[in-house]
Amino acid sequence: QKEVEQDPGPLSVPEGAIVSLNCTYSNSAFQYFMWYRQYSRKGPELLMYTYSSGNKEDGRFTAQVDKSSKYISLFIRDSQPSDSATYLCAMKTGNQFYFGTGTSLTVIP
Amino acid sequence: GAVVSQHPSWVICKSGTSVKIECRSLDFQATTMFWYRQFPKQSLMLMATSNEGSKATYEQGVEKDKFLINHASLTLSTLTVTSAHPEDSSFYICSASAGGANEKLFFGSGTQLSVL
Repeated sequence: QKEVEQDPGPLSVPEGAIVSLNCTYSNSAFQYFMWYRQYSRKGPELLMYTYSSGNKEDGRFTAQVDKSSKYISLFIRDSQPSDSATYLCAMKTGNQFYFGTGTSLTVIP
Repeated sequence: GAVVSQHPSWVICKSGTSVKIECRSLDFQATTMFWYRQFPKQSLMLMATSNEGSKATYEQGVEKDKFLINHASLTLSTLTVTSAHPEDSSFYICSASAGGANEKLFFGSGTQLSVL
């Protein structure tokens, strides 16, 4: 079993839709949770960084962490074509980072 | 967020030559740097972890004599692909962290290596 599981998609939504991206994990030692956005042939860009269970909002993005269920989500409101990218979840314990495989998202105008 | 600069962004070389890729943290001291390889439409594959001033730790299956990693300062790490072959063609990405339990991880923009 992988440490971090993420549905690779692809996911295709119309412009303006709410997007939900999810990851599950098995290691209860994970303390920090991140979401990255990666455009084709570019390095991943840090979108959200959270520690505790609950929600964290930043503009159109909301990161949700449920430590009891070992489940994290990223919600994108009012999705735009420019949101089309691969989204990677990541988790950290100590100085080690573990990544999901990424979900490919396409927002159709 | 913090800035990690990676150069070059694209390199084409002949088989048998060596290629060096640089990764710099511009506005923070990177205690730890990571090097990844990524194939098209696939996830990041960790190659090695380097801590400033010490030898890199390579992941299983990664040839340390082929992929030389140097982390001589808190702001610079280099990856040298020695005697490159076409099968080494890939997208290489570095990332850097200031260390510490709650420090974030920032990525460079990646380097596309094409070996002819």
